[in-house]
Amino acid sequence: NAGVTQTPKFRVLKTGQSMTLLCAQDMNHEYMYWYRQDPGMGLRLIHYSVGEGTTAKGEVPDGYNVSRLKKQNFLLGLESAAPSQTSVYFCASTPIRTVINSPLHFGNGTRLTVT
Amino acid sequence: AQKVTQAQTEISVVEKEDVTLDCVYETRDTTYYLFWYKQPPSGELVFLIRRNSFDEQNEISGRYSWNFQKSTSSFNFTITASQVVDSAVYFCALRSTNAGKSTFGDGTTLTVKP
Repeated sequence: NAGVTQTPKFRVLKTGQSMTLLCAQDMNHEYMYWYRQDPGMGLRLIHYSVGEGTTAKGEVPDGYNVSRLKKQNFLLGLESAAPSQTSVYFCASTPIRTVINSPLHFGNGTRLTVT
Repeated sequence: AQKVTQAQTEISVVEKEDVTLDCVYETRDTTYYLFWYKQPPSGELVFLIRRNSFDEQNEISGRYSWNFQKSTSSFNFTITASQVVDSAVYFCALRSTNAGKSTFGDGTTLTVKP
């Protein structure tokens, strides 16, 4: 059982380049989230999805887009990367029936550097 | 708006000392859950414990214990007889009923020295 898998693990981009981060979960969870982690700032919610075909903005959505075409996948896109988007990105999921009390299942993170 | 405050940015202790990590939260929800997660140097996020807003019973699990006080909006975490392997960043998080979104504190970096 793989849980939540993020690809890639590391990436270096130049300013202005684009890329997509992939999150895949095999637990049949309805809810999925993208967080970014910056030093001393904890985890901040970028976008989230409550089901296939639906997405919503979180706390820090600017500069990012997401898509949830399949229940198991949640994609995070950067159309024109900026140095301020240098961060560690975490994907997480949780089941809908216990959405408030079930812990988040996290991927192992993607370390992105924008030069 | 929800808020989680972990006032201790960094804590350093010597092995076998007890250490308490503080967490204070703000929410207008009457139903919510509180969580603690651990992030070891390897970087993954590991769930430790959850507590709901109606259950103020404190819990002990091995060397770990948690103190939830709704009156002071605090959910503190204590490690007894700390070990080097406890060195990690610890996050407190508040889960709301709104799409299950979680608000995280900024984390406390615990260093346990041998």
